Amino acid sequence: EIVMTQSPATLSVSPGERATLSCRASQSVSGNLAWYQQKPGLPLRLLIYGASTRATGIPARFSGSGSGTEFTLTINSLQSEDFAVYYCQQYNNWPPLTFGGGTKVEIK
Amino acid sequence: QVQLVESGGGVVQPGGSLRLSCATSGFMFSDYGIHWVRQAPGKGLEWVAFIRYDGSNKYYADSVKGRFTISRDNSKNTLFLQMNSLRVEDTAVYYCAKDSFRIAAAAYYFDYWGQGTLVTVTS
Repeated sequence: EIVMTQSPATLSVSPGERATLSCRASQSVSGNLAWYQQKPGLPLRLLIYGASTRATGIPARFSGSGSGTEFTLTINSLQSEDFAVYYCQQYNNWPPLTFGGGTKVEIK
Repeated sequence: QVQLVESGGGVVQPGGSLRLSCATSGFMFSDYGIHWVRQAPGKGLEWVAFIRYDGSNKYYADSVKGRFTISRDNSKNTLFLQMNSLRVEDTAVYYCAKDSFRIAAAAYYFDYWGQGTLVTVTS
């Protein structure tokens, strides 16, 4: 099973600043990585797939990078609606599909 | 628009059973694999099960293998999860999630999610 580790667990950021979230895989997942956003009361939202491709309707301030075992989600110029929990997920080796433990982006 | 709506959650005693449903609309259900993913209170996401678009193959997390059964009715655009021998540690919100690739043998990432249904296992 591929273990996904996200850091930090909590990130305090001021509106308008940049947030950088990390996701590490216990073994290479190539570019088969997705990022999701979770907000209370709403369905989870796909942000990025293929490590760096934005999903339909996702604003350009969200960007993904990385390959192999190290990945980054960057949110430029944080908006109020971006404060949420973010998860990475690998789909290179399955079953099982595995998620990171999440990073909560909170208002500083 | 794509919609997935889970139902069937509730409170059940350890050892009991529950059947979850996921009603879908807005896409060709029979062309896509569908997953169940769960989230224990205050915890992260855990993939539970996947069924191929045609129901020919099913996959499970080790934590539920032999106790849970995923199935689908393509004539009713509905996904199911039969949960038997429930344990306290199965307490979670259960989400159904649509796989991203059409008529695919494998599982990939989830492009649409439902809002979940809460299952509480307690004595």
